[in-house]
Amino acid sequence: QKEVEQDPGPLSVPEGAIVSLNCTYSNSAFQYFMWYRQYSRKGPELLMYTYSSGNKEDGRFTAQVDKSSKYISLFIRDSQPSDSATYLCASSYDSWGKFQFGAGTQVVVTP
Amino acid sequence: DSGVTQTPKHLITATGQRVTLRCSPRSGDLSVYWYQQSLDQGLQFLIQYYNGEERAKGNILERFSAQQFPDLHSELNLSSLELGDSALYFCASSADRAGEKLFFGSGTQLSVL
Repeated sequence: QKEVEQDPGPLSVPEGAIVSLNCTYSNSAFQYFMWYRQYSRKGPELLMYTYSSGNKEDGRFTAQVDKSSKYISLFIRDSQPSDSATYLCASSYDSWGKFQFGAGTQVVVTP
Repeated sequence: DSGVTQTPKHLITATGQRVTLRCSPRSGDLSVYWYQQSLDQGLQFLIQYYNGEERAKGNILERFSAQQFPDLHSELNLSSLELGDSALYFCASSADRAGEKLFFGSGTQLSVL
């Protein structure tokens, strides 16, 4: 069983809708949590990172971490067709960045 | 552009062969990470180097090895290649030891025929 689980999708939403993405993790020692966006055949691009529990907002993106339930969420408001990509969550427990990635959720935003 | 450079972009080789993938981290970054991405396994952490020293090891096969040179560029060597080694290999770099922010290169697509 993978330490970070993520529904692979695809998740299809109309333009302007809120995209809601989730991951669960099993290692209670995880302290660092990140969301990456990956376009086809490109390297993952960091979107959001949080340390420990709480919310973080950056423009149209909001990341939430609930350590009590081991749940990680990413919300994308006012979604655009350019948001169509695969979104990967990642977690790590130590300072050496041995991050465990989820399988990625493919998001399709239709005009 | 993340600032992380990987070469070559594509590599086609045969089973049993050996290849070397190269990575130049962002300017100033001391940590280099290697990841393997395949359709069935997703993004898998292979190994991390910090300022020339191996710092963390993940699911890296014994047929694979890596090193980081004094100029901080890194190479991933894959030997006795098998069909199942076909994947996208990413290098990422980070400025600090916590590795909170990984910046990924565009990857090397390896095809083993």
